[in-house]
Amino acid sequence: GQSLEQPSEVTAVEGAIVQINCTYQTSGFYGLSWYQQHDGGAPTFLSYNALDGLEETGRFSSFLSRSDSYGYLLLQELQMKDSASYFCAVRDRGGSQGNLIFGKGTKLSVKP
Amino acid sequence: GAGVSQSPSNKVTEKGKDVELRCDPISGHTALYWYRQSLGQGLEFLIYFQGNSAPDKSGLPSDRFSAERTGGSVSTLTIQRTQQEDSAVYLCASSLDLRGLGAEAFFGQGTRLTVV
Repeated sequence: GQSLEQPSEVTAVEGAIVQINCTYQTSGFYGLSWYQQHDGGAPTFLSYNALDGLEETGRFSSFLSRSDSYGYLLLQELQMKDSASYFCAVRDRGGSQGNLIFGKGTKLSVKP
Repeated sequence: GAGVSQSPSNKVTEKGKDVELRCDPISGHTALYWYRQSLGQGLEFLIYFQGNSAPDKSGLPSDRFSAERTGGSVSTLTIQRTQQEDSAVYLCASSLDLRGLGAEAFFGQGTRLTVV
């Protein structure tokens, strides 16, 4: 099966950098994704890491280390609009090929 | 359609009644997922459809829950004899089957179910 752990809450100030970690236990997966969800909204895709290393998309970067069963989302130059919940997810390569399993999410609060 | 469409957007039902929630995925997306999200909580996996393969129903919380996907497109999630603990937002998502390439999942706006 798949199990993903994230911190439940993180607080940071506008303009700062924040890192949201995700550790996982998995029977096999294709890659690690990150999704953002604003209160009352639907989750939206941010990034995907199929290979180890850093992927950068504007102010957001995501990292994966399969040997450490660990990944993170890095948000730079924080803005108030970044206040949201962030979910890591794995795409299963085991018994449920292609299924997308989510962590419980990290609620990010950006303060002025 | 342009995106994943779910209906109804809100549903209030009496305890013990049956409800049906509908999901119209993006045309051409072979993968369809249902999740449940309680207030302030994470995305609880319910069921996953992939093309013509048997669905993964391992996340359904009880035998009161069932889902089908007709013609590889529209999906219906049915909850029988609803209970108050079923109150949540039910989210549907779809994606292409490009597993190794990530295949971004697109979510609908959800159905907010309230059992009174």
